[in-house]
Amino acid sequence: SQTIHQWPATLVQPVGSPLSLECTVEGTSNPNLYWYRQAAGRGLQLLFYSIGIDQISSEVPQNLSASRPQDRQFILSSKKLLLSDSGFYLCAWRWQYYGYTFGSGTRLTVV
Amino acid sequence: DAKTTQPPSMDCAEGRAANLPCNHSTISGNEYVYWYRQIHSQGPQYIIHGLKNNETNEMASLIITEDRKSSTLILPHATLRDTAVYYCITNAGNNRKLIWGLGTSLAVNP
Repeated sequence: SQTIHQWPATLVQPVGSPLSLECTVEGTSNPNLYWYRQAAGRGLQLLFYSIGIDQISSEVPQNLSASRPQDRQFILSSKKLLLSDSGFYLCAWRWQYYGYTFGSGTRLTVV
Repeated sequence: DAKTTQPPSMDCAEGRAANLPCNHSTISGNEYVYWYRQIHSQGPQYIIHGLKNNETNEMASLIITEDRKSSTLILPHATLRDTAVYYCITNAGNNRKLIWGLGTSLAVNP
């Protein structure tokens, strides 16, 4: 069966520090992968999506970047965090023409 | 902006049916209606989707009006564990991006 792993679950980072969030998928190959962010009381905002290794599309210009070094690994990074980067970060993969499976999320607080 | 409109909140008694409405008056002919839910501090969970016909699975039923401008998600026997935010989304299926609104916060009360 297909599963998606995302870590860490929570993270508190100071302003200006780097960030690295990792997402891995098991049980499938060449998945479409996505990074979303959800601010408090807001809907999900698509940040990046990837259709394959080293193929990244950015939806929103910002302080973040994404990489896909392996087929089933998707990484969200930042060189210097801002207060506005706080939020709930979700990784997802599209398992069929219609459906998406989300990871359990990372709650990031920038202080 | 989201292409769907949902009430911000609803209440339902435990054991009763929960009927969550969604308006999608600008839906295109090739767009599906998807429903997801998000329990607090977790990732969204897929519930059901449909194009024209009504659909049912082990979680819920989806009723789509004939003109496809609105739909209703039905949880036939709501439990406390169904308390969550429910999102209605329209998408062409081959489109990589889902546009999420604020959803409906459903509170199931004992």
